[in-house]
Amino acid sequence: DVKVTQSSRYLVKRTGEKVFLECVQDMDHENMFWYRQDPGLGLRLIYFSYDVKMKEKGDIPEGYSVSREKKERFSLILESASTNQTSMYLCASSLGAGDETQYFGPGTRLLVL
Amino acid sequence: AQTVTQSQPEMSVQEAETVTLSCTYDTSESDYYLFWYKQPPSRQMILVIRQEAYKQQNATENRFSVNFQKAAKSFSLKISDSQLGDAAMYFCAYRWDNAGNMLTFGGGTRLMVKP
Repeated sequence: DVKVTQSSRYLVKRTGEKVFLECVQDMDHENMFWYRQDPGLGLRLIYFSYDVKMKEKGDIPEGYSVSREKKERFSLILESASTNQTSMYLCASSLGAGDETQYFGPGTRLLVL
Repeated sequence: AQTVTQSQPEMSVQEAETVTLSCTYDTSESDYYLFWYKQPPSRQMILVIRQEAYKQQNATENRFSVNFQKAAKSFSLKISDSQLGDAAMYFCAYRWDNAGNMLTFGGGTRLMVKP
């Protein structure tokens, strides 16, 4: 079974702090994704990566950056957290090469005070 | 830009009954994929069913089936013999064939199952 793990289930940070959210997958997947989930808006793509050190902006990249130094790990960085970044963050991965099924992590619920 | 709309924020169904969740999408593409994902309370999102747009036959996975109407851009999910474990948020998602695995999600439908 594919396993996607996220470093924290719950996180509380203060405005202006730098926040790191980590995601690790154990199935040698090519593609990794970061979404934020808000009520009524579904999931919106922040960034995705199709290879090590490669990244592409999604629909809402403002205020976020990402890092993929190793194939299995994809980090989401909030350079200066703001209250409007309070949300559920979901990481996902997919094999690539025509297999587009995405496998999701458990999510990190971030509260910015 | 592609959009996915789920017009039912909440639905409820009696255990053992059948329920249909609606999804419509907007696209000018002809080759694409459609998905239904399930997110149980406090648990990970999992894929329920997928449909390739070039296939006319509706996808089926056990008690889950879809009604794919390409001309109408409609992709509804039917859950038969509903079980308590079906209670979850359900998300419809679209992927264009050349979109590099990028999914566009609808806003979700919360399904409640009454015993």
